[in-house]
Amino acid sequence: DAGITQSPRHKVTETGTPVTLRCHQTENHRYMYWYRQDPGHGLRLIHYSYGVKDTDKGEVSDGYSVSRSKTEDFLLTLESATSSQTSVYFCAISESTGLLEKLFFGSGTQLSVL
Amino acid sequence: DQQVKQNSPSLSVQEGRISILNCDYTNSMFDYFLWYKKYPAEGPTFLISISSIKDKNEDGRFTVFLNKSAKHLSLHIVPSQPGDSAVYFCAASARKTSYDKVIFGPGTSLSVIP
Repeated sequence: DAGITQSPRHKVTETGTPVTLRCHQTENHRYMYWYRQDPGHGLRLIHYSYGVKDTDKGEVSDGYSVSRSKTEDFLLTLESATSSQTSVYFCAISESTGLLEKLFFGSGTQLSVL
Repeated sequence: DQQVKQNSPSLSVQEGRISILNCDYTNSMFDYFLWYKKYPAEGPTFLISISSIKDKNEDGRFTVFLNKSAKHLSLHIVPSQPGDSAVYFCAASARKTSYDKVIFGPGTSLSVIP
């Protein structure tokens, strides 16, 4: 299994509070991604990173920010959580050998915003 | 508007029979396609992929077929086994233009009945 750790695994928070999810990898992969999974939508890309301090937006980036200060860590922050951000969040990593499409996923973080 | 569509949210198949999961896409720039499998409480795992220069790729019991003119691909599982019961996500990438993004469909939940 790819060395990907997501923390926390579960979180319950209140509307309006900031939340930070962490993704840690031990594979030294260049690319890291944050997806959210919702019924009927599958996995939607929130933000991704192609190197330290290099990030870009995905298709559902509003209300989210990311940071990558080290190769191994990719943080996702919900600046002011809303109920629509209740979801399962997956971090993924990809090798830098050209097989960019082959993603390895973490086990997910279940976030509930009340 | 979804670029990758899986119009069957669920599918039930008898053990030993063939499972056929379908996927349609709208973006003609997609040139690489993947299938991921997801069990409950786990992250998705890569199953099989196909490049747009091919029309078929086989890996054991799993075969993916690509029909570029119809913008359609399908995953065949033969014979189906109870352990194949999972959610299957179709995904696509446009490597020439958006090489670092993978777009997922909404998923099909497969149940293989013993």
